[in-house]
Amino acid sequence: DQQVKQNSPSLSVQEGRISILNCDYTNSMFDYFLWYKKYPAEGPTFLISISSIKDKNEDGRFTVFLNKSAKHLSLHIVPSQPGDSAVYFCAASSYNNNDMRFGAGTRLTVKP
Amino acid sequence: DAGVTQSPTHLIKTRGQQVTLRCSPKSGHDTVSWYQQALGQGPQFIFQYYEEEERQRGNFPDRFSGHQFPNYSSELNVNALLLGDSALYLCASSLGTGVGGTEAFFGQGTRLTVV
Repeated sequence: DQQVKQNSPSLSVQEGRISILNCDYTNSMFDYFLWYKKYPAEGPTFLISISSIKDKNEDGRFTVFLNKSAKHLSLHIVPSQPGDSAVYFCAASSYNNNDMRFGAGTRLTVKP
Repeated sequence: DAGVTQSPTHLIKTRGQQVTLRCSPKSGHDTVSWYQQALGQGPQFIFQYYEEEERQRGNFPDRFSGHQFPNYSSELNVNALLLGDSALYLCASSLGTGVGGTEAFFGQGTRLTVV
């Protein structure tokens, strides 16, 4: 039961441009959505999150947008930097528990 | 401040054997969750421990069991290993349970290979 989907396995952008990573979910009971970044040989690290009562959350170069009606969220990275190259996972959780459902990940490559 | 530490980093086991993986949470954290990440997939939730009890469980068979100790460290045990159990096993720690959206800190994982 794939409740969180990341349909793009990879994305390549030029340094300085915008990176847009997309995520879709099927369970309308999710209350929180999180983005994690993973480098090779390391565990995922938390990047940014958004509550379902909001439609936008911004932290520096990273902005997450949530469209509840479409059950879709996206992560915008502006400007993209080579150090942003990693696998990005979208995750979702409910209010009354914090186990997370993850998407399959999108590998972002930022070219200098 | 040490983050989440997992041991061992790599492990090779034979089909049918049993394995124990270990996790020490980030200092100050009391909740430990375990995830299995198969190749090319996102992490899948196995279970979560809080106050030495299993509080939530994902869709994994009873061959997967765990334990949390009074110092909040945790073990994941897998019995009767199958080839399909080969994966990266991630431990995540957080503070408290029952609070959605809580940032979790992950260890580097244990790469289990079943031959």
